[in-house]
Amino acid sequence: GAGVSQSPSNKVTEKGKDVELRCDPISGHTALYWYRQSLGQGLEFLIYFQGNSAPDKSGLPSDRFSAERTGGSVSTLTIQRTQQEDSAVYLCASSLEPGGTEAFFGQGTRLTVV
Amino acid sequence: QKEVEQNSGPLSVPEGAIASLNCTYSDRGSQSFFWYRQYSGKSPELIMSIYSNGDKEDGRFTAQLNKASQYVSLLIRDSQPSDSATYLCAVNFYNQGGKLIFGQGTELSVKP
Repeated sequence: GAGVSQSPSNKVTEKGKDVELRCDPISGHTALYWYRQSLGQGLEFLIYFQGNSAPDKSGLPSDRFSAERTGGSVSTLTIQRTQQEDSAVYLCASSLEPGGTEAFFGQGTRLTVV
Repeated sequence: QKEVEQNSGPLSVPEGAIASLNCTYSDRGSQSFFWYRQYSGKSPELIMSIYSNGDKEDGRFTAQLNKASQYVSLLIRDSQPSDSATYLCAVNFYNQGGKLIFGQGTELSVKP
């Protein structure tokens, strides 16, 4: 696609429910990054993929968070048993290669847990 | 020490002045450095990348890199009110598998 696409744009969920956030990277981009941004805060690194593998999962806040990427393309970030502190904007970025090429962001998913 | 550090600001400059934004990083092996601009409620937008020591100019923007000092900066000449945004420094951490880490951002306000 022309740019990184994330869906949904907004998600309101009840506490305790599971949610899935989707990221469709720029075609041909092998590296994919997930970040979380709480209101007024910086970008918190969550996980990144090289192809379908995730060399670094150190940023995932708890075992309620998981992510996968299939076919070297679309990635899904899943949050189980959502809590109010999970409310944030979840941003996805992709780059042509890992290791230092320019990364481009999607528009983000705003998650609100009520 | 934070992996990527920036002054949070806000940094306020008058219209037409030079705005100077600074960033330090912890991974001495890092090779790739980026500046992003983020308007309120929007996602980050890439404005500059720099890979070699020295200066890189693009229009009103100049990125400066000093790997020995682990320091990267962004200068904005002839600042405009439309430049008012949060500027994020990002570093590719070579010694940590290549993950891209962001600073907390510096809020810039350009006053007419």
